[in-house]
Parts: sequence; C-alpha cells; structure tokens
Amino acid sequence: GDSVTQMEGPVTLSEEAFLTINCTYTATGYPSLFWYVQYPGEGLQLLLKATKADDKGSNKGFEATYRKETTSFHLEKGSVQVSDSAVYFCAPLFNSGGSNYKLTFGKGTLLTVNP
Amino acid sequence: DAEITQSPRHKITETGRQVTLACHQTWNHNNMFWYRQDLGHGLRLIHYSYGVHDTNKGEVSDGYSVSRSNTEDLPLTLESAASSQTSVYFCASSDLRGQGVQTQYFGPGTRLLVL
Repeated sequence: GDSVTQMEGPVTLSEEAFLTINCTYTATGYPSLFWYVQYPGEGLQLLLKATKADDKGSNKGFEATYRKETTSFHLEKGSVQVSDSAVYFCAPLFNSGGSNYKLTFGKGTLLTVNP
Repeated sequence: DAEITQSPRHKITETGRQVTLACHQTWNHNNMFWYRQDLGHGLRLIHYSYGVHDTNKGEVSDGYSVSRSNTEDLPLTLESAASSQTSVYFCASSDLRGQGVQTQYFGPGTRLLVL
C-alpha cells in the first residue's frame, strides 16, 4: 500500500550548516507532495509543496524537488538559522480511491539549530 | 483574515466522560479533518468530512465521532474518554476536493489529558 518514510531524528546542527531531511514514498500513482513544519507549541504550517514530477517547491530558503525516479522529496536548506528549529513532516497526498485523497504524514524530524 | 480555530486549547478530563473538541474555520472550505498527534506516530487521521452532513472514518476512528451541520464547524466527540486518548488533536481544512493538489490548513491544536 501507499506509505511514506521520513528520516528519523533528532537532527542537531550549528547555525549556517547545510540541512537535508530525507523523505521517500511508495505509491501506485503520482501523489502531490508536501512538507509541513511545526514550531514549538504551534500547529502545522505548510512549508512547501510540489504537485508533479520535477517540480521544485521552495519557501523560506528551503527547497525540495519531486523525484519520480527515486520516489523522493528530500528537504534541503543551504544555511540553517536558530529560528528553523522545529519539527518537519513529509506528507504525500495519496489517492485512496475515486476522488478521495488522504494526506499521510511521516513521523516527523525534530531539528535543533544551535547558535 | 480567514482562519481555523480550536477550543479549548487545553483540557483535562476523567476516564469515561464525554468530551467535545470544537473546530471552526472561516475559509469556507468544504473539507475538514481531525488528526491526533502522538510521539512516534506523527499525525493520524481520525475523521474527515467533505461537506455538510458528510462524515467519514479515518485510520483511528474508534471511540470518536463527528458531525457536520454547517460548513464552518466540525466538532469531535470522545464518547467515553480513555487514557489512550490522551494526545494533541489538530483540526484542518482544505478546498479543491478531488483535485489531488489540496493544501490543508491546520488549527493550533488542543492538548487533551485523560486521567
């Protein structure tokens, strides 16, 4: 069945370091792909998304490219800041039959950035 | 500005009591969702609705119910609260049903403790 696998954390980096959080999925089709971020004590916010192969989503310096060949959607940022400390969720939107779609979340990756 | 709100933000209850968590959105979205967030599990779908009088079970629906009497609200009821239902609950809404590109917008969450 459809599933998502996200790199487990926690991840601890120093400010200005490069970040990669891996996300791969298994699906019968080509789902839209999302990254959500959850800052401490808050709800989830959409960070970026891509809806078809080779699309690149970007926001706040973060990027992720929809790789159909490797069924991946890895999150990257070239230079992290302390304010990026949060939990990051990869979430494919799988077709659960007919016109029904289900957003399926990875388990989340806790990122801590130290000054 | 359009928003999605949840109340209460924090709730302590006793085992066996009925509890209702409120969710209200002003986006005028057709789709609404309830998730629970637990360590090690990410977010799991409890119930969802694609419009007024429409409700559907998610992957962890046992012990929960919802009703949709208008577009703006989707209250979640725990019929007889159990300690296993201690969790953080998030409501979300989205538009563009069936398009496969829907973005879900999340509320701030409700922390529920069942003693």
